[in-house]
Amino acid sequence: DTAVSQTPKYLVTQMGNDKSIKCEQNLGHDTMYWYKQDSKKFLKIMFSYNNKELIINETVPNRFSPKSPDKAHLNLHINSLELGDSAVYFCASSQDGLAGGGNEQFFGPGTRLTVL
Amino acid sequence: AQRVTQPEKLLSVFKGAPVELKCNYSYSGSPELFWYVQYSRQRLQLLLRHISRESIKGFTADLNKGETSFHLKKPFAQEEDSAMYYCALRETSGSRLTFGEGTQLTVNP
Repeated sequence: DTAVSQTPKYLVTQMGNDKSIKCEQNLGHDTMYWYKQDSKKFLKIMFSYNNKELIINETVPNRFSPKSPDKAHLNLHINSLELGDSAVYFCASSQDGLAGGGNEQFFGPGTRLTVL
Repeated sequence: AQRVTQPEKLLSVFKGAPVELKCNYSYSGSPELFWYVQYSRQRLQLLLRHISRESIKGFTADLNKGETSFHLKKPFAQEEDSAMYYCALRETSGSRLTFGEGTQLTVNP
């Protein structure tokens, strides 16, 4: 009964390919996120969706396109992969609007993408 | 724009020694501060948040608005505390979390 799951766990691919990473949460949360953790372990938000609507879109190349078919899923599609895209990508979810704030973000296990 | 700074990328202590992981922030509003931990080969998980004022696994963190700091402390470190620790700030409105660069804590036997 994993709360936030991602597939695949590892992804090795060639430059120029197109790939997708899937994320699902069974917590009933309204908001989902994608983060990128680079080789120096720096964690940076890429996108956030609330009830299938894009609310955060950081300065990410437009080769990256998130898709939210429903509020339990947020997939990340990457076109024309580049060497610099190699990183660990984390999905997360949270329930906003809780009284008192402090909504915790629950993270998935990560997808390690290696671009050769 | 908000910013979170963790000045130490690496921190190494011996078991039983006190440990303090530093976190400073800059934000014009009233922030919410969190500490997240990532154990080896595991997902990020929430360790504690400033509004709860709780102690988790012996760790505490106090929000000091005057110094804009939210340092994480533990009086006696254990080997199982070895992990990557991230300080994070949430804006007053919205759900965005801004993370610090992270501090890799190693507790030696």
